[in-house]
Amino acid sequence: DAGVIQSPRHEVTEMGQEVTLRCKPISGHDYLFWYRQTMMRGLELLIYFNNNVPIDDSGMPEDRFSAKMPNASFSTLKIQPSEPRDSAVYFCASIRQGEETQYFGPGTRLLVL
Amino acid sequence: DAKTTQPPSMDCAEGRAANLPCNHSTISGNEYVYWYRQIHSQGPQYIIHGLKNNETNEMASLIITEDRKSSTLILPHATLRDTAVYYCIVRSTAGQGGSEKLVFGKGTKLTVNP
Repeated sequence: DAGVIQSPRHEVTEMGQEVTLRCKPISGHDYLFWYRQTMMRGLELLIYFNNNVPIDDSGMPEDRFSAKMPNASFSTLKIQPSEPRDSAVYFCASIRQGEETQYFGPGTRLLVL
Repeated sequence: DAKTTQPPSMDCAEGRAANLPCNHSTISGNEYVYWYRQIHSQGPQYIIHGLKNNETNEMASLIITEDRKSSTLILPHATLRDTAVYYCIVRSTAGQGGSEKLVFGKGTKLTVNP
């Protein structure tokens, strides 16, 4: 398996623009997680899905952030409008229910100017 | 909030054992201790986990004290590639009705020196 796939790997955008981050979890995994990592706040869980259904979105910072999982092999994290403070590395991770290892993708480095 | 306390940084000489401590004094009976590491610019990587017995795999050993209030991750022969941030996390194990999510603290930045 190719592991968790994220795209794009790098994104530079201007404040006010819409940003869409994409994630393909490992095939057969039931859970998908979106994390954000910054120097100030470390690695934070934003939202996670179980069988494509959002379970806990309490970490989503505000209404500008939204996440969807239309099917078992694809999820998006959207920021609209983006702000400079959204600059961070965004990780996607997945795990199969009943297993112990959560697998992380390589991350998307987002810079909002 | 993270339920663990770790030293912010540690150094280790290449080839020597690296012993990374973690305090989890409020751990409950159904919570496991997990260790992940994050090599610079990469996503976190699972290392090992345990409940109360010592565990060993191809990457590391995990020693949990009898009262389960602390643990130590041991990398027996550290290499330069082990330089990373190491996170100690406590959570319920998979499939026991607890959340699958991980709550990361600040971790320990381990630097392996040549």
